[in-house]
Amino acid sequence: GAVVSQHPSWVICKSGTSVKIECRSLDFQATTMFWYRQFPKQSLMLMATSNEGSKATYEQGVEKDKFLINHASLTLSTLTVTSAHPEDSSFYICSAKGVRETEAFFGQGTRLTVV
Amino acid sequence: GQNIDQPTEMTATEGAIVQINCTYQTSGFNGLFWYQQHAGEAPTFLSYNVLDGLEEKGRFSSFLSRSKGYSYLLLKELQMKDSASYLCALMDSNYQLIWGAGTKLIIKP
Repeated sequence: GAVVSQHPSWVICKSGTSVKIECRSLDFQATTMFWYRQFPKQSLMLMATSNEGSKATYEQGVEKDKFLINHASLTLSTLTVTSAHPEDSSFYICSAKGVRETEAFFGQGTRLTVV
Repeated sequence: GQNIDQPTEMTATEGAIVQINCTYQTSGFNGLFWYQQHAGEAPTFLSYNVLDGLEEKGRFSSFLSRSKGYSYLLLKELQMKDSASYLCALMDSNYQLIWGAGTKLIIKP
């Protein structure tokens, strides 16, 4: 299957700082990327959907100014958590889908801890 | 609207067979997916059904009935490593995935 690489795997940051998470499709062109957040023992929650070259579509309740998503190329999307707070601590997962792919392929996930 | 239901938790014995059901309601349908997710890890793809019937892949099989809004994931010859959450997700008319809450499968020796 296709490979999606997410970086970093885990990050600890101080409250008030910003953190950038990268999601790369390594062997296919990801026309659509999805960003999810998952709290312990809960299901995936879609935060936003981004199509290459256009602005991301955010789900209701997700602050677009706090969670900045950039999908500038067909192989890279980034999620920046700005002014992070402890309640932003979560598992963030990206998935990518190309035109030729039926399913979306997931990155490894990023464990964010804000202290 | 869209709605997906699957059991919260199931328990099975090593070596046995278990069936995890998923029912859904949707106005647009472009397929149903099953993913496996171990604790602390991202989901991994198991199966995709877009037509009615059974898709078999090794120890795992997935079934779909579009008229009934029903799917199941069948796991045979259960192994301890199969202990995980199993997520049912449907792809809607906009090709977005709508996720179920997941079924936590506990395998006992």
